[in-house]
Amino acid sequence: GAGVSQSPSNKVTEKGKDVELRCDPISGHTALYWYRQSLGQGLEFLIYFQGNSAPDKSGLPSDRFSAERTGGSVSTLTIQRTQQEDSAVYLCASRHPGELFFGEGSRLTVL
Amino acid sequence: DQQVKQNSPSLSVQEGRISILNCDYTNSMFDYFLWYKKYPAEGPTFLISISSIKDKNEDGRFTVFLNKSAKHLSLHIVPSQPGDSAVYFCAARRGNSGGSNYKLTFGKGTLLTVNP
Repeated sequence: GAGVSQSPSNKVTEKGKDVELRCDPISGHTALYWYRQSLGQGLEFLIYFQGNSAPDKSGLPSDRFSAERTGGSVSTLTIQRTQQEDSAVYLCASRHPGELFFGEGSRLTVL
Repeated sequence: DQQVKQNSPSLSVQEGRISILNCDYTNSMFDYFLWYKKYPAEGPTFLISISSIKDKNEDGRFTVFLNKSAKHLSLHIVPSQPGDSAVYFCAARRGNSGGSNYKLTFGKGTLLTVNP
């Protein structure tokens, strides 16, 4: 596609369940980022993938969060045993080079 | 510890007037600054940027000013249009941060409303 695609656009889950969020970056973009925006907050960096290098996971808030990027393209962000404080919009972005192009985000609501 | 601060959560201006959005930062290692614009239910989109070696960058109706000594930057929009109504995020990145040189630090955003 022409832009960064994320799915699902909305996800409502129960506390304690696992969720997977998907990001399909712009074709040819080697760098992929995950950010999240909690209510009333700015965008918080989570994780960064660049080509075949080891990802920068320094922003992941806990070990319940993990992400992978298969084949240098699609990425999946997994949140295990979700908590209510995980509720946020999770944004994926890609770049190569230049500025970040963001997807529309996946809104996660944990009940 | 919030390294990029946008102290005004909202701003309202009349169409045709100037909009000034402010941003302050605390990390002296930041060397590149950006503004992103976000409409509801959409991802942020890049608007304009400025390197720390400059004090002004202009692109059409949008101008970003950087005052390094004050660790302050501002985005001017003139003339403001109703279509400019959106949330504006200030962002910054550090130099010499290796492969993660695009790990941007964002402010909380300012909601701009331009009234017709």
